[in-house]
Amino acid sequence: EAGVAQSPRYKIIEKRQSVAFWCNPISGHATLYWYQQILGQGPKLLIQFQNNGVVDDSQLPKDRFSAERLKGVDSTLKIQPAKLEDSAVYLCASSPARVTGELFFGEGSRLTVL
Amino acid sequence: AQKVTQAQTEISVVEKEDVTLDCVYETRDTTYYLFWYKQPPSGELVFLIRRNSFDEQNEISGRYSWNFQKSTSSFNFTITASQVVDSAVYFCALRGLHAGNQFYFGTGTSLTVIP
Repeated sequence: EAGVAQSPRYKIIEKRQSVAFWCNPISGHATLYWYQQILGQGPKLLIQFQNNGVVDDSQLPKDRFSAERLKGVDSTLKIQPAKLEDSAVYLCASSPARVTGELFFGEGSRLTVL
Repeated sequence: AQKVTQAQTEISVVEKEDVTLDCVYETRDTTYYLFWYKQPPSGELVFLIRRNSFDEQNEISGRYSWNFQKSTSSFNFTITASQVVDSAVYFCALRGLHAGNQFYFGTGTSLTVIP
C-alpha cells in the first residue's frame, strides 16, 4: 500500500514570495490533515479535511495560508506571502474515516524562508 | 483542556542501556486514545502504538514496552537494550472524541543513543 506522498521535499524562498505544497493521501482515507512542525516543537494542526469539507481550520493563519482538497483526494497548502516565521516542516497526514485510528504521515515538506 | 506533556526534552544513553520516555496527558474526555510516534532524522512520523483509555494493560513489542496508568494520566515508553537506530525524536499524542477528533502532540523527546 502506497503511503502519504508529499512534494516538494525541500523549498527555499525569500520572504513575501509564495509557495505551494502538495499532498496525496493513502487511497481511501477520508480525513486529511496539514500540520506545521517548527524545529524543536511538536506538530501543530493547521487544517483538517473530511473528504472535501473543512472540519477544523481554527489555527490556520488565513491572511496568508490557504488549503483546498478538491474532489476529496489530494490537497494543496499555499502560503502567500511567506514570512520568516513560516520556516518549518509541513506535514501531511491521513486517516480512515473512523475516529479512533492513528494518523499516517508523509515525509514532510521542509520550507526555509530567507 | 487537552494537553500532552513530555518533560524530557533530550536524553542521551549509551548503547544497550534501557531508557524510559515520559508522557503525561490531560483530557476531559472519558474515552480517548493515546499514541507514540517516532520521528527519525528523515522526518517522517512513524506510528508505534495506540492505546485506548479502557485498556490499561501494559504492552510489549520486542524491545519496546508501554506503561499506561490512568490514575496518574501517564503513558510512558521504555526501550530496552537501546540501539543506535533508536536515535530519533519520540512524540506522545492524545486523540479525543470530540471537536473533530484532533490529535494533540507533545513537544517530543529527542533520544540519542551513543555507540
